[in-house]
Amino acid sequence: DTEVTQTPKHLVMGMTNKKSLKCEQHMGHRAMYWYKQKAKKPPELMFVYSYEKLSINESVPSRFSPECPNSSLLNLHLHALQPEDSALYLCASSRVGQNTGELFFGEGSRLTVL
Amino acid sequence: AQSVTQLGSHVSVSEGALVLLRCNYSSSVPPYLFWYVQYPNQGLQLLLKYTTGATLVKGINGFEAEFKKSETSFHLTKPSAHMSDAAEYFCAVWPKIGSARQLTFGSGTQLTVLP
Repeated sequence: DTEVTQTPKHLVMGMTNKKSLKCEQHMGHRAMYWYKQKAKKPPELMFVYSYEKLSINESVPSRFSPECPNSSLLNLHLHALQPEDSALYLCASSRVGQNTGELFFGEGSRLTVL
Repeated sequence: AQSVTQLGSHVSVSEGALVLLRCNYSSSVPPYLFWYVQYPNQGLQLLLKYTTGATLVKGINGFEAEFKKSETSFHLTKPSAHMSDAAEYFCAVWPKIGSARQLTFGSGTQLTVLP
């Protein structure tokens, strides 16, 4: 069982819709991540939150809007997406102090944009 | 900048045969090293990691990897493949120094296990 929970597992949306992806962890980790993964490719980093503050934004289009309401939750708000945004969106978490880079991943939310 | 190279985007082995997946990193300071596995329609699961100490590390499901500094390699092995090992495997590195550190993944190796 994964300790990082992502909802929904599947999402289909039109280009004019607004939707959100949610991620939750209860491991006490203070760093949380959003990755985008296309088929047969490695995950690509989108955003990193450290102590609930955005610390890395990898030049992601503004139609993706992250939010970290508290230390356990991470959201990704989606608006006016394009078909090429269809992908698996992975959430991950890790320690901040003495971080050796071990990330814990959720099972992902598979997004299809029509 | 860190980089990770996985030789062979597809590897096929027979059930019971040795599995060898190759990973080389490029960094002046050896980073922390990881192997993740991704089964179809799932997230990434940590197989094993090297941070310090013994250079031969054992992971889950019978996998192990050896850190060789002189070869800048961290190859993944398993003595006997099982059908359930069929998955995508990613090697990844995390730098030991630097401010905005992030996990850098290799391009992945799809492992097929033949009956």
